[in-house]
Amino acid sequence: AQSVTQLDSQVPVFEEAPVELRCNYSSSVSVYLFWYVQYPNQGLQLLLKYLSGSTLVKGINGFEAEFNKSQTSFHLRKPSVHISDTAEYFCAVSGVRGSTLGRLYFGRGTQLTVWP
Amino acid sequence: DSGVTQTPKHLITATGQRVTLRCSPRSGDLSVYWYQQSLDQGLQFLIQYYNGEERAKGNILERFSAQQFPDLHSELNLSSLELGDSALYFCASSVGQDNEQYFGPGTRLTVT
Repeated sequence: AQSVTQLDSQVPVFEEAPVELRCNYSSSVSVYLFWYVQYPNQGLQLLLKYLSGSTLVKGINGFEAEFNKSQTSFHLRKPSVHISDTAEYFCAVSGVRGSTLGRLYFGRGTQLTVWP
Repeated sequence: DSGVTQTPKHLITATGQRVTLRCSPRSGDLSVYWYQQSLDQGLQFLIQYYNGEERAKGNILERFSAQQFPDLHSELNLSSLELGDSALYFCASSVGQDNEQYFGPGTRLTVT
């Protein structure tokens, strides 16, 4: 089975500062990796995904993430945050075949709060 | 708007009761997934259907059941409800099994 650890439950940051949200995963098989964002009272929206290929993945809203297989990490970064980036961010993993394909295992989430 | 619809938005019911949550996937999506989001357990995968057939089961209680109908909408049935079942229940859909999942807005269930 897969599991995900998001190392920070809350990350406060000032507007226009860079931010990194950390995610480590555990799996005995190959994985797909995802970052989702959840705004208050809304569902989850996909920010970006790593399936294969280049380890640096670019997503929506200026976010990017780097897959590091040796460190089993998939950290999310943004060089300059806006107030509107305030939300809960979830890292997720799925297997790549069989019954593990498609079912997402989520971390506990990181609340990003951007202050003016 | 993801294109996935869920009804109702809110549901308040008493312990011991039974409820049905409904999900309509995006047009063309064959896979439907159900997730539960609670404060103590976080976001947990419950069950997946693909074109009407159950494909994978997660931490779904025996009191819970689901199905996907020929028109591809899905229902999650929760019975003998307990206080601990209070949570946000999300439905997601995707074209196949290895594609991006689009999440609905969720149904907030409160058991009193």
